[in-house]
Amino acid sequence: DGGITQSPKYLFRKEGQNVTLSCEQNLNHDAMYWYRQDPGQGLRLIYYSQIVNDFQKGDIAEGYSVSREKKESFPLTVTSAQKNPTAFYLCATSDRGIYGYTFGSGTRLTVV
Amino acid sequence: GESVGLHLPTLSVQEGDNSIINCAYSNSASDYFIWYKQESGKGPQFIIDIRSNMDKRQGQRVTVLLNKTVKHLSLQIAATQPGDSAVYFCAEILLGYGNKLVFGAGTILRVKS
Repeated sequence: DGGITQSPKYLFRKEGQNVTLSCEQNLNHDAMYWYRQDPGQGLRLIYYSQIVNDFQKGDIAEGYSVSREKKESFPLTVTSAQKNPTAFYLCATSDRGIYGYTFGSGTRLTVV
Repeated sequence: GESVGLHLPTLSVQEGDNSIINCAYSNSASDYFIWYKQESGKGPQFIIDIRSNMDKRQGQRVTVLLNKTVKHLSLQIAATQPGDSAVYFCAEILLGYGNKLVFGAGTILRVKS
């Protein structure tokens, strides 16, 4: 979707496992964001990064971790500490000074 | 924290009619308001935005109205088509604070043929 690739599209996790969701962009955007979406609800911010090697917690960061070693990549790890990880996860980017976001196509995570 | 909410969770309209989706926001300091369309299993897509110092902005078949007095935002879709069926989110952004978007819960728009 517009230069943002999220993988995999579907992911199944056993309880107690950590899983990592990939987000790669070729838009040369500085800022990247991770949102969680639950059925019938809006998007809630997990983590965001405005620059390489820097990131901040969003509203629901507990049980998640991120890294930003490259401008193009912002992987999200869902740890075993996240008690209710089943959700649709969306990655987004934005360019500095431009407010609009570009979203990826999402990863649907299910705990089995 | 600040929140953005919607008045109507589901809106059903007849094909060809106009649609109006409403949104209430709480942060009067927000700089921009943006409408997104999300189809099933996909990420949100930008529709139209409006800056906080404007009260109306028009796009192709869509118009966004901003009433800062009552903190209300609306999206008008002219001649609604079946392809408009989706979930619509309003979002607000306060620049300089990570440029974080705060989303409302969403309105489902169903277009009947």
